[in-house]
Amino acid sequence: EAQVTQNPRYLITVTGKKLTVTCSQNMNHEYMSWYRQDPGLGLRQIYYSMNVEVTDKGDVPEGYKVSRKEKRNFPLILESPSPNQTSLYFCASRFGGTFTDTQYFGPGTRLTVL
Amino acid sequence: AQSVTQPDIHITVSEGASLELRCNYSYGATPYLFWYVQSPGQGLQLLLKYFSGDTLVQGIKGFEAEFKRSQSSFNLRKPSVHWSDAAEYFCAVGASGYSTLTFGKGTMLLVSP
Repeated sequence: EAQVTQNPRYLITVTGKKLTVTCSQNMNHEYMSWYRQDPGLGLRQIYYSMNVEVTDKGDVPEGYKVSRKEKRNFPLILESPSPNQTSLYFCASRFGGTFTDTQYFGPGTRLTVL
Repeated sequence: AQSVTQPDIHITVSEGASLELRCNYSYGATPYLFWYVQSPGQGLQLLLKYFSGDTLVQGIKGFEAEFKRSQSSFNLRKPSVHWSDAAEYFCAVGASGYSTLTFGKGTMLLVSP
């Protein structure tokens, strides 16, 4: 089954404790991205990747890092989480960089930073 | 840069009644337009998309949307709402030459019996 998976689905952590949220897709997609969703703000893009070793900032990249060492994986790294990063995070992928390709979303990771 | 406005934060519709969710976009050229639905606790699912051609597009679950260039709108419609349609709906726009998809803030649909 074609899918985007994220782990963990729920995470409660404390300020400053480094964490990684994993994202994996099994569709051989080149394009992957991370969004955060906050009430009243919709989805905002954090980072995206056009292919292996190619990443770029989205609209709200501060406090986040990403890497794309393999085509299927696109982890989101919070080196020193803060409470304002408490949010619902979605990973997404699509075949290429154009919008004619359908974008698939993972199930989401709910992060709470105390 | 492109932007999307969904004027209604919440909408309540009676089951069986028709539905229209509004979406206005800002972009100079012809945009790529999308509607996604997010059920409680779920990820986003694509309902339909518009790139070019016929301005009335059909999607899944009985939804349709109409692109109106003169009004910069891409409103989502459904003739008869079912209780299972209760969810949050997001309009999104993509611009040619950019890879970022810009989302609206969402409209929460409540369906009353």
